[in-house]
Amino acid sequence: DAMVIQNPRYQVTQFGKPVTLSCSQTLNHNVMYWYQQKSSQAPKLLFHYYDKDFNNEADTPDNFQSRRPNTSFCFLDIRSPGLGDAAMYLCATSSGPQETQYFGPGTRLLVL
Amino acid sequence: GESVGLHLPTLSVQEGDNSIINCAYSNSASDYFIWYKQESGKGPQFIIDIRSNMDKRQGQRVTVLLNKTVKHLSLQIAATQPGDSAVYFCAERRRDDKIIFGKGTRLHILP
Repeated sequence: DAMVIQNPRYQVTQFGKPVTLSCSQTLNHNVMYWYQQKSSQAPKLLFHYYDKDFNNEADTPDNFQSRRPNTSFCFLDIRSPGLGDAAMYLCATSSGPQETQYFGPGTRLLVL
Repeated sequence: GESVGLHLPTLSVQEGDNSIINCAYSNSASDYFIWYKQESGKGPQFIIDIRSNMDKRQGQRVTVLLNKTVKHLSLQIAATQPGDSAVYFCAERRRDDKIIFGKGTRLHILP
C-alpha cells in the first residue's frame, strides 16, 4: 500500500546531541512537510519542500534543518536538541500544495 | 488574528449516539476546510473536507457542515463507535496554501 513511513517511531537523544529523523513515501507526492506536535496541542508546520524548493516557516528555529535528497525521502535534522524540542514530529505529503495532506505515524522524540 | 479554534476541548458521547464536534475559524478568506482524526500515538488521519462554496458534505457516517456567515464548521459522526475515540482537529487552508490546525477536541465514547 502507498504510504508515508517514519523512522524511528521513538527516538531518545541527549541534550545538545544532533539527531536526524527520517520520512519516506511511496505516494510519489511532490510536497513533503514536517510538523512538530507537542502534547495536547495541534501540529505546527516547521517547513515543507515543494519538489526541491525548501520553504521555511518564519518562526521555525534555526536549530531545525531539513534535507530532501530525492522525491521519496525527507529528513529532519535537529542540530542541538533542547528539552523544549521533545515532541512528536510528523511528516506529511501531498500531491500538490492545494491537495490533501497525508500524515505518517510520527516519531516521538525524547530529549534527556 | 487568524486562528482556527474549537469550542470544547473534550466531548463525551454515549456509544451509539451521534457526536457533534464544533470549530470556529476567523479567516474569512479561507476556502478549504479539513477534519482530521488522530488516535493516540498515531499521525492525523484525513476524514473529510469541504470547500467554501459548499455548506454540507457527507461521507461514511460523517457529515461536515460549513456556515460561512458565522465562520463555523462542525463534524457530525453518526452512531458513534468505540473506534471513534480520538482527538479531532479542524484545519483551514489559508490563501498561501498553508494548513492551519485548530486546537483539537478529544472525543470520549461512553459504554
